[in-house]
Amino acid sequence: DQQVKQNSPSLSVQEGRISILNCDYTNSMFDYFLWYKKYPAEGPTFLISISSIKDKNEDGRFTVFLNKSAKHLSLHIVPSQPGDSAVYFCAASLFNTGNQFYFGTGTSLTVIP
Amino acid sequence: EPEVTQTPSHQVTQMGQEVILRCVPISNHLYFYWYRQILGQKVEFLVSFYNNEISEKSEIFDDQFSVERPDGSNFTLKIRSTKLEDSAMYFCASSAGGGSSYNEQFFGPGTRLTVL
Repeated sequence: DQQVKQNSPSLSVQEGRISILNCDYTNSMFDYFLWYKKYPAEGPTFLISISSIKDKNEDGRFTVFLNKSAKHLSLHIVPSQPGDSAVYFCAASLFNTGNQFYFGTGTSLTVIP
Repeated sequence: EPEVTQTPSHQVTQMGQEVILRCVPISNHLYFYWYRQILGQKVEFLVSFYNNEISEKSEIFDDQFSVERPDGSNFTLKIRSTKLEDSAMYFCASSAGGGSSYNEQFFGPGTRLTVL
């Protein structure tokens, strides 16, 4: 069951430019969305989240946008830095059963110096 | 900064053997989780645990799997009779809350399980 999809397995961006990572979901009941970053040999690290009552959440260089009608969210990183190179997972959960996160397959971001 | 730890980092076992993967969640967290990631695939939820019992589990979490919090700090995943397809990275996670509140989950570094 592919309830959360990340259709781009990889993305390359020049340092200083904007990175845009996309995520689509199918379950309209999802009401909490998160982005995790994962380096090789490490577990996923929480990056930023957004609840379904908002359409934007910003934290420093990271901004998450949520388009509920399109069931789409995106993560913007600006400016991109080489240390941002990692695999980015989006995840979604349901308020009533908030325990389980549904993850996408990940997008590998490479920021080129 | 508090973190989730997991041991061992890599476990190799023969098919049919039992393995126990260990996790030490963040100390004041109340909800504990296991996820797995088969190579090249997405991170998949296995089970969540709260108040000494399973609160939610996926269809992957069948009778060969069990979880336990044997003491106040450890959280374990036991696979009774391993199969080749159990080879994956297993991530433990914990959160301060769950269910009725939004809480991000903090993940451990993972245990790579290889079943031969």
